[in-house]
Amino acid sequence: DADVTQTPRNRITKTGKRIMLECSQTKGHDRMYWYRQDPGLGLQLIYYSFDVKDINKGEISDGYSVSRQAQAKFSLSLESAIPNQTALYFCATSGGGAWNEQFFGPGTRLTVL
Amino acid sequence: AQSVAQPEDQVNVAEGNPLTVKCTYSVSGNPYLFWYVQYPNRGLQFLLKYITGDNLVKGSYGFEAEFNKSQTSFHLKKPSALVSDSALYFCAVRDIQSGAGSYQLTFGKGTKLSVIP
Repeated sequence: DADVTQTPRNRITKTGKRIMLECSQTKGHDRMYWYRQDPGLGLQLIYYSFDVKDINKGEISDGYSVSRQAQAKFSLSLESAIPNQTALYFCATSGGGAWNEQFFGPGTRLTVL
Repeated sequence: AQSVAQPEDQVNVAEGNPLTVKCTYSVSGNPYLFWYVQYPNRGLQFLLKYITGDNLVKGSYGFEAEFNKSQTSFHLKKPSALVSDSALYFCAVRDIQSGAGSYQLTFGKGTKLSVIP
C-alpha cells in the first residue's frame, strides 16, 4: 500500500551493528505497529503505538526499540543486531477502534550476517 | 488469550474450481476476524473482516468468508479460483473483550494457495 512506506527495502548488516528501520504513513492514522515475519511463523508483533506519547511492547520486543517521532513516523531500531533477527519486517497502521483493519507497508528484508 | 489456527500449510486447486482456506480461532469473548493476502515481495493486503451481523462476509477480489460461532471457524472461500489468486493467506483474530490488549491482532501462520492452470 503506497500510503505506508518503509525504508530501506533491503538491508544487509553485520552482527553487533545498530540498525534503524523507518516507517511513514499518509493515512492520518494514530495507531502504528511493527511486525516481524519469519517463514512458517506468521507475523509477530514487536511494538505498537496508539499515539505519539503511547508506546507498548508486543510479543517479541527484546532486542528492539522504537521511536514515534510524529503521528506519521514510527521507527524500529535494533541496538545490536544478531543473526536470528534476520527476517522480514513490516510496519502497519490502523484507525481508531478494535474493529479496524490494519494497512501494511511493503516490508524491509533484513539480513544479519 | 486469543489464538488462531490455519490447519493447512498449502492448498492446491485447479483454476475455475472453488477454493476454501480454513481458519479456526479461540477467544474468551467475541471475535473480530480478518483475512489478509500477501503476494510475493509485497506487504499484507486486507481482504475482508467479520465484526458483527451477517455471518457471510464479502470482500475484495470475489472472496467471501463465513463466520461460524459454534465451530469457531472463519473459512475463506471463492467460487471460482484464478491463477492470480496464488498467494499466501493469513487469518487474524482480535478478542473484543480483552481490554488493554484488545488492539493486538493475532495472526495464523499462513496458508499458501496455489491455483493450477
